[in-house]
Amino acid sequence: DQQVKQNSPSLSVQEGRISILNCDYTNSMFDYFLWYKKYPAEGPTFLISISSIKDKNEDGRFTVFLNKSAKHLSLHIVPSQPGDSAVYFCAASAGPSGNTPLVFGKGTRLSVIA
Amino acid sequence: DTGVSQDPRHKITKRGQNVTFRCDPISEHNRLYWYRQTLGQGPEFLTYFQNEAQLEKSRLLSDRFSAERPKGSFSTLEIQRTEQGDSAMYLCASSPEGQRSSGGQFFGPGTRLTVL
Repeated sequence: DQQVKQNSPSLSVQEGRISILNCDYTNSMFDYFLWYKKYPAEGPTFLISISSIKDKNEDGRFTVFLNKSAKHLSLHIVPSQPGDSAVYFCAASAGPSGNTPLVFGKGTRLSVIA
Repeated sequence: DTGVSQDPRHKITKRGQNVTFRCDPISEHNRLYWYRQTLGQGPEFLTYFQNEAQLEKSRLLSDRFSAERPKGSFSTLEIQRTEQGDSAMYLCASSPEGQRSSGGQFFGPGTRLTVL
């Protein structure tokens, strides 16, 4: 049973436009959420996170939105760049930060077209 | 600091053999995690340590899997009597303890295991 769901396996976006990656979760005990980016032959790289007490966190071109009542979060990348092409994983933790075991979604492959 | 390192990067073995993987975390991180990733899936949590104490091991896939972190620094993951279904990428990650880890866990490059 997937507790963290990324229902779009892939997404293509033109360079300069906005990329929106979505994630849904089912476990109401999740308290902290993270996005990771993964290139081939590398481990996942932390991108941005958000605590359940917030509804938005922004870091440069990356913004994560959390709708706790809908159990939904999204990652916005503006503007999208070709170097953003990678697989993006949504992850959740039942702890108050990112230092407890994470539950990952299956990932969304983002392709940014020049 | 060069980040989390894992050795070997690739391992090919025959069914029934034992394999051991090593992970060296970021030096100041006292938490260390093991995950497994199969094709088309996200990483799946296996076990984790705080210093040398193993905090959770019920998610290890079977009793053929075991992990150690004897001195609270590097860790090893052993799989005994490997099966073809064990073929996967094994990822190690580390993080500081407590509330300081707003930056999440830092992952190594992984060890890709192929069981023939």
